[in-house]
Amino acid sequence: DAGITQSPRHKVTETGTPVTLRCHQTENHRYMYWYRQDPGHGLRLIHYSYGVKDTDKGEVSDGYSVSRSKTEDFLLTLESATSSQTSVYFCAIREPDSYEQYFGPGTRLTVT
Amino acid sequence: GNSVTQMEGPVTLSEEAFLTINCTYTATGYPSLFWYVQYPGEGLQLLLKATKADDKGSNKGFEATYRKETTSFHLEKGSVQVSDSAVYFCALSDQRSFKTIFGAGTRLFVKA
Repeated sequence: DAGITQSPRHKVTETGTPVTLRCHQTENHRYMYWYRQDPGHGLRLIHYSYGVKDTDKGEVSDGYSVSRSKTEDFLLTLESATSSQTSVYFCAIREPDSYEQYFGPGTRLTVT
Repeated sequence: GNSVTQMEGPVTLSEEAFLTINCTYTATGYPSLFWYVQYPGEGLQLLLKATKADDKGSNKGFEATYRKETTSFHLEKGSVQVSDSAVYFCALSDQRSFKTIFGAGTRLFVKA
């Protein structure tokens, strides 16, 4: 168990509102990731972090920002939510030596 | 760049049938290869891995062998159970990138 929690687990919000999703880990892992999962698209990387204040974009970063001010927390923000951002969002960490990834339970976000 | 291709699903089998899910990859260098499983409503879990050519990863009756000559990592199980119904993802990762490359996923249905 990599000790990864995500909050909230479910959220419904309106178009145009800001939303922040939180990923928390208890194992001091350096590498953290945000993915979205949609039918027909598999997993797509949004942003990732390789250390405190060190982040980079993934393949679908438009409309999303991230912050990592401490090792254990990685925040994903939708500045102005759109219906196309309705999805299930997964946070993950990666073991530095084995490259194994461990995933959180996911956040189901619905933008109406 | 690196990529992973896995067979499209869904795959529907009867209980106790033999399972093969094909996975091929493109990579420079010597990546580690993984199979992840996702049960309904959950995040992905590591199922098995192999770190070098001819390695066989195994777990819970599932096996996959790292074949460098055919750039493949096919998942097999001799006798599936209803509880194996899930989505299976092939993936690769290496030391030169912070990212893990996932296949599109293959949904497996096992009927009693």
